[in-house]
Amino acid sequence: GQNIDQPTEMTATEGAIVQINCTYQTSGFNGLFWYQQHAGEAPTFLSYNVLDGLEEKGRFSSFLSRSKGYSYLLLKELQMKDSASYLCAVADSNYQLIWGAGTKLIIKP
Amino acid sequence: DAMVIQNPRYQVTQFGKPVTLSCSQTLNHNVMYWYQQKSSQAPKLLFHYYDKDFNNEADTPDNFQSRRPNTSFCFLDIRSPGLGDAAMYLCATSMQGGGSYNEQFFGPGTRLTVL
Repeated sequence: GQNIDQPTEMTATEGAIVQINCTYQTSGFNGLFWYQQHAGEAPTFLSYNVLDGLEEKGRFSSFLSRSKGYSYLLLKELQMKDSASYLCAVADSNYQLIWGAGTKLIIKP
Repeated sequence: DAMVIQNPRYQVTQFGKPVTLSCSQTLNHNVMYWYQQKSSQAPKLLFHYYDKDFNNEADTPDNFQSRRPNTSFCFLDIRSPGLGDAAMYLCATSMQGGGSYNEQFFGPGTRLTVL
C-alpha cells in the first residue's frame, strides 16, 4: 500500500529552528510537496522536490532523499505565525497526490 | 488575481437533506479535485476531473456526486448527508502534466455541518 508518515505534533520556540520529517512508500514517485495549513484554512504550497538534495526558499528549506524515501522541512527563525499544520504529499506514478496526515507545529514564545 | 473560489464557506444542512457545494477557478487549469478533510486528518481525494474526464476514487461513497459543466466550474453534490459527512470540503486545481505543474492550488474550503 501507499503510506506517508510524519510526526503528529511538534513544539518549538520562537526564533529557533525546527525540522519536520516525512517518510514515504508509494507506487512510483513524481515529486514531493510540502504544504502549510492554518487551522480552518486551505493548504498553501510551500515547496516541491523531485531531485535529491536541499531546496532553500527564504526561512524554509526542504530536503529529499529518494533512495531513503525521506524528506524534511526545515523552518528557521521561527515566528508565531508559523504555528500551523505541515502536510507532506507525494505525487505517485499517476501524478496523484498521496497525503500525510500533517504535523501540527506549536510555537511557544 | 487568479484564484480558486468556493461557495459557500460554511454550509449547514440537515441529516438526509441534499446539499451542493460549488467551486470556480480563474487559473484556467484543466484538472479539478474535490477533497474531504476531517480534523487532524489528511485530505481524502473524492474525485477529480481531467478536462471533462471524470475519475472517481474507488472508496468514494455513491452518496457523493460531481459535475463539471465547463472548465471554470465544478460542483460537489451530497445526495443524503449523514453525520459522518461533516467535514471541510476542499476544491483544488492543477495544470496537466508532471514536474511542478501538478502543484495543486486550493480554494478556501467549505465547512459542512450536518444536524
